Amino acid sequence: AQSVTQLGSHVSVSEGALVLLRCNYSSSVPPYLFWYVQYPNQGLQLLLKYTTGATLVKGINGFEAEFKKSETSFHLTKPSAHMSDAAEYFCAVTMNSGYSTLTFGKGTMLLVSP
Amino acid sequence: DVKVTQSSRYLVKRTGEKVFLECVQDMDHENMFWYRQDPGLGLRLIYFSYDVKMKEKGDIPEGYSVSREKKERFSLILESASTNQTSMYLCASSKPETQYFGPGTRLLVL
Repeated sequence: AQSVTQLGSHVSVSEGALVLLRCNYSSSVPPYLFWYVQYPNQGLQLLLKYTTGATLVKGINGFEAEFKKSETSFHLTKPSAHMSDAAEYFCAVTMNSGYSTLTFGKGTMLLVSP
Repeated sequence: DVKVTQSSRYLVKRTGEKVFLECVQDMDHENMFWYRQDPGLGLRLIYFSYDVKMKEKGDIPEGYSVSREKKERFSLILESASTNQTSMYLCASSKPETQYFGPGTRLLVL
């Protein structure tokens, strides 16, 4: 079975500060890992994903994440927060089955203050 | 760009009504999914389908059924809506491992 833990249901940062959203996973096989963002009353938008290869992946809107197998982590970072980054962020894992079912974390709401 | 559309953004139904939520994708994806999203619980998988007329139960299938008669369309059916089915419903499609989501349907059951 696979699972995802996102530390912190809410994270608050000031505009211009570093954004760090934490994600730890458990999986019995090499995982595929994803970060999605959800703006109010919208669906989920893919930010970035790790499948194979380079462990540091870059996504849209200046976000990046690093796959660390030894720590079973896939933390999301952005060097400088912008007001428009305020949203809910979801980490997800799949075991790369043919059906690609995802297991999601419970989400982290990012609050950005001026 | 992948496009996943859902028939309604907002729905209000009464307890006991039969409710249909429709999802259409335009990228010829084999896999389609229905989730519900509730505050503090994240996204939970209701049903998914990996081919026309095929369906698999997810984590919370009770009270729901699905239909996939055409590859591009995946319907979620609430046979007799109840107040505890008030939620945000999200549809997604994928090929192969990356899921793309629709805008969601916010359903209120009175």
